[in-house]
Amino acid sequence: EADIYQTPRYLVIGTGKKITLECSQTMGHDKMYWYQQDPGMELHLIHYSYGVNSTEKGDLSSESTVSRIRTEHFPLTLESARPSHTSQYLCASSESLPGQGNQPQHFGDGTRLSIL
Amino acid sequence: QKEVEQNSGPLSVPEGAIASLNCTYSDRVSQSFFWYRQYSGKSPELIMSIYSNGDKEDGRFTAQLNKASQYVSLLIRDSQPSDSATYLCAVKQQAGTALIFGKGTTLSVSS
Repeated sequence: EADIYQTPRYLVIGTGKKITLECSQTMGHDKMYWYQQDPGMELHLIHYSYGVNSTEKGDLSSESTVSRIRTEHFPLTLESARPSHTSQYLCASSESLPGQGNQPQHFGDGTRLSIL
Repeated sequence: QKEVEQNSGPLSVPEGAIASLNCTYSDRVSQSFFWYRQYSGKSPELIMSIYSNGDKEDGRFTAQLNKASQYVSLLIRDSQPSDSATYLCAVKQQAGTALIFGKGTTLSVSS
């Protein structure tokens, strides 16, 4: 079972602020992902990384940015928060096992972000 | 065209019944299939993975995969009220790509 941690769990903040959502995993997984999910709606992939110094944009256009300087850490940053950024942000990770097919993604508890 | 399709529900079953959740996918080269359970306000939790045609059983859960029909299903036997949640089907098309999630099916088990 993956240990993946997200902080903060809840954040209420004003418009225009710079926000960084933290995500860390202790399993040494090389792949990490960020999803955005509104209540009752589907998951949307916004960023992913397959290793250190590797980041890609996902299917849903997002004004956020990510970095992957260390294997265990994959923070997401909003330079200037807006009410439209209000959502739940979920971080996930998975490992690569040579010759063992595709491994599932394990999710953190999420950050519920509310921009006033 | 959505790549992973699920009936949004809600699917309502009485306690003790079998709940059947279905998922179809569009890409024939898809290799790996997962079922996640998501309680309201919580993050998705992996409950089943299946990689080859046929059935895979784990406790009250059975996943069924038919690659020729591009169809994967989840059966929940002896449904309990605690099974009430949204069930997400996820498909990985090839090694290295991220999972593609369906919109989820909401299951309601009444006591």
